[in-house]
Amino acid sequence: SSELTQDPAVSVALGQTVRITCQGDSLRSYYASWYQQKPGQAPVLVIYGKNNRPSGIPDRFSGSSSGNTASLTITGAQAEDEGDYYCNSRDRSGDHEVFGSGTKVTVL
Amino acid sequence: QVQLQESGPGLVKPSETLSLTCSVSGASISSYYWSWIRQPPGKGLEWIGYFYYSGSTKYNPSLKSRVTMSVDTSKNQFSLKVSSVTAADTAVYYCAREIYDGYDYTHGIYYMDVWGKGITVTVSS
Repeated sequence: SSELTQDPAVSVALGQTVRITCQGDSLRSYYASWYQQKPGQAPVLVIYGKNNRPSGIPDRFSGSSSGNTASLTITGAQAEDEGDYYCNSRDRSGDHEVFGSGTKVTVL
Repeated sequence: QVQLQESGPGLVKPSETLSLTCSVSGASISSYYWSWIRQPPGKGLEWIGYFYYSGSTKYNPSLKSRVTMSVDTSKNQFSLKVSSVTAADTAVYYCAREIYDGYDYTHGIYYMDVWGKGITVTVSS
């Protein structure tokens, strides 16, 4: 099955912009979905498809995709955006799921 | 409002079978994909498998020999069994609904829009 690669950690100053990337061959065929997870909580969907936000997700979250790389951008990061972010997609066969290893976002 | 709730034993002995159930409210289990995902302490998310309403099931190849998923449409529930558990199966187990939203010329669109709160399962004697 495919793998999705994420940077382990990234930091951003309060109010600044941060981009989290996810790389994998399956992303040429399937959009990544992105999940935010805070300590002790279940993951929450923040971006899906080309660049779609579920109801209740702030518009400072956006997504993009190019080739084998998907990106999640937080424009104007807030303290409450701290947490772990995971990308996910179907694998190249389309039959199985794969998750990235996660990126820990720290807001300074 | 769609809600998912995991239930089952929080402690399982090594070599025994872990059994969990996910109860679905606000949506029919006879649609969508329904997944199990787990997260070992301090680690990332690992997909275990999914059930598709048409009757198809797919499992993570690394767990396939030990995993079985089933569905009870009369109760709107689906279940997970993991056999021959070891300490490595200690994790928070989540169930989630996955939506397939078609293709937009180039890419397929799948996403897990609703998750249960998770249940902690410890494998220990």
